[in-house]
Amino acid sequence: DQQVKQNSPSLSVQEGRISILNCDYTNSMFDYFLWYKKYPAEGPTFLISISSIKDKNEDGRFTVFLNKSAKHLSLHIVPSQPGDSAVYFCAASARTGTASKLTFGTGTRLQVTL
Amino acid sequence: DVKVTQSSRYLVKRTGEKVFLECVQDMDHENMFWYRQDPGLGLRLIYFSYDVKMKEKGDIPEGYSVSREKKERFSLILESASTNQTSMYLCASGRSNYGYTFGSGTRLTVV
Repeated sequence: DQQVKQNSPSLSVQEGRISILNCDYTNSMFDYFLWYKKYPAEGPTFLISISSIKDKNEDGRFTVFLNKSAKHLSLHIVPSQPGDSAVYFCAASARTGTASKLTFGTGTRLQVTL
Repeated sequence: DVKVTQSSRYLVKRTGEKVFLECVQDMDHENMFWYRQDPGLGLRLIYFSYDVKMKEKGDIPEGYSVSREKKERFSLILESASTNQTSMYLCASGRSNYGYTFGSGTRLTVV
């Protein structure tokens, strides 16, 4: 049962335009959400996060929006740059007694074209 | 910066071999994790540990075990490697509830 879903396996965007990556979740116990970026042959690197008490968090070109009622979050990248081309994973966290573990989506491959 | 080091970038092992994947972190984190990444499946949690000698099963623990004898080191063990364990293995560690640092990964091929 996939608790965190990224329904778009790939996305192509022109340089300078906005990239919007989407993520849906089913577990209402999730209280923290993160986006990771992954280049080939490297581990994922943390990009941005948001707590369930907020609906928006911004860091430079990256903004994450959370809609709790819809159990949906999105990552906006403006403006998109060629170096943003990577796989983006959405992750969610819920305290489970001993430790918080991250549950990941299946990833969206973003290609930023010139 | 937190550093999470995985001992090997690439490994090729034979079916039936016992395989050890090592992970070391340098920031005194309580929590350490092992994930595997497969195309179309994202990152799936195999095991995690919240303290020395403590471990909990993740979503796909079958065929794996772990060891955490020291706080900085978390080992993943494939008791008898099989071809369906060919994958990218990623170790992560973190102190707080949220957000972890990943190592560069070990690409394991079982032939």
